[in-house]
Amino acid sequence: GQQLNQSPQSMFIQEGEDVSMNCTSSSIFNTWLWYKQDPGEGPVLLIALYKAGELTSNGRLTAQFGITRKDSFLNISASIPSDVGIYFCALIKAAGNKLTFGGGTRVLVKP
Amino acid sequence: DAGITQSPRHKVTETGTPVTLRCHQTENHRYMYWYRQDPGHGLRLIHYSYGVKDTDKGEVSDGYSVSRSKTEDFLLTLESATSSQTSVYFCAINHRDRGKDDYGYTFGSGTRLTVV
Repeated sequence: GQQLNQSPQSMFIQEGEDVSMNCTSSSIFNTWLWYKQDPGEGPVLLIALYKAGELTSNGRLTAQFGITRKDSFLNISASIPSDVGIYFCALIKAAGNKLTFGGGTRVLVKP
Repeated sequence: DAGITQSPRHKVTETGTPVTLRCHQTENHRYMYWYRQDPGHGLRLIHYSYGVKDTDKGEVSDGYSVSRSKTEDFLLTLESATSSQTSVYFCAINHRDRGKDDYGYTFGSGTRLTVV
């Protein structure tokens, strides 16, 4: 099946720091999505990427769709406490419009 | 955003008992999904539906069945719950039928199921 590897699995960040996480897939896909999940809630879409090389921002978040179409990264600039949560990358499989998720990156902020 | 609610939010059940989780949406989206979330695995697709009475299996469908008799409701049933089915279950809807450029998915708040 589709392999979607996300790293790191977890990270502690200092408030104000910039952080980065990435995902790689074993196959080429046309859409990368990045989600955030707050404790006790479902994932919420942060950024969607549709073209190889595309760089898209949403406030302090920036994501890029890799040129090879097999990877993507998400950057968070100037971290704040509310950035705590689990970040997931996801791909869409055309048949059934199904999402496949990476294993997630748990972000914890040092006080 | 489309209204999507899951019930119950929490449930504890005994091994071997049947359990049904409900997902309800209010905006007539065609596609609905059930995922389970476990540490280290992200969210994995159990079953999905592409219309009333139209369902298909996901990657972890063993031990689960679904039904969709109305557009707004998608039910997930564990016929005989096992401890390995202790998990957080999320329902999702896909907005794709609103327009080809809308790749949004909205997730419910989840059901935490514990099988003892």
